[in-house]
Amino acid sequence: EPEVTQTPSHQVTQMGQEVILRCVPISNHLYFYWYRQILGQKVEFLVSFYNNEISEKSEIFDDQFSVERPDGSNFTLKIRSTKLEDSAMYFCARDGTGGVNYGYTFGSGTRLTVV
Amino acid sequence: LAKTTQPISMDSYEGQEVNITCSHNNIATNDYITWYQQFPSQGPRFIIQGYKTKVTNEVASLFIPADRKSSTLSLPRVSLSDTAVYYCLVGERNTGGFKTIFGAGTRLFVKA
Repeated sequence: EPEVTQTPSHQVTQMGQEVILRCVPISNHLYFYWYRQILGQKVEFLVSFYNNEISEKSEIFDDQFSVERPDGSNFTLKIRSTKLEDSAMYFCARDGTGGVNYGYTFGSGTRLTVV
Repeated sequence: LAKTTQPISMDSYEGQEVNITCSHNNIATNDYITWYQQFPSQGPRFIIQGYKTKVTNEVASLFIPADRKSSTLSLPRVSLSDTAVYYCLVGERNTGGFKTIFGAGTRLFVKA
């Protein structure tokens, strides 16, 4: 099963700038997710995405965040005006393949550093 | 969502079998138990999933008692590369938009 690919692997941005994190899951999967992990802390759910719509989001996912699947392949997370506390690893994930494996497949992540 | 409780950390030596137990007293009828592994600066990786009794794959075994209020991940003959954080999660199997919630996990240290 091909992996989930995330780009860039590392991004440094100035506070207040917009960033777009990209993910390339497999197009025949239905559900996609974004998670983040602040250094030394646990993995936190941000948002789930189904059929080009947000199906569920956490309290973290406020108006500064948005998700899109603009071309049916790429899946993006946009942070409109970054804050220092947005510095974290951001992981994209897709749903399982069915059968005996119903776990999510996570990408390798984008390390976002806001300065 | 059922809450899970697992040890914060565990130590082991190479070649030993490691058992990590997770408590989930409020597990619901439709809930499955899923374990993930995470290395530093990497995304979580699915290890195993089960509903009841025992599940085994090429990586690990998962033991679930009849009451399903706990589960034990068993890693046979660990190596240094098994040093990682292991997460126990409980929830419905990939229903639409289900927000898999990660707890703090168990940090496993494998020593030579």
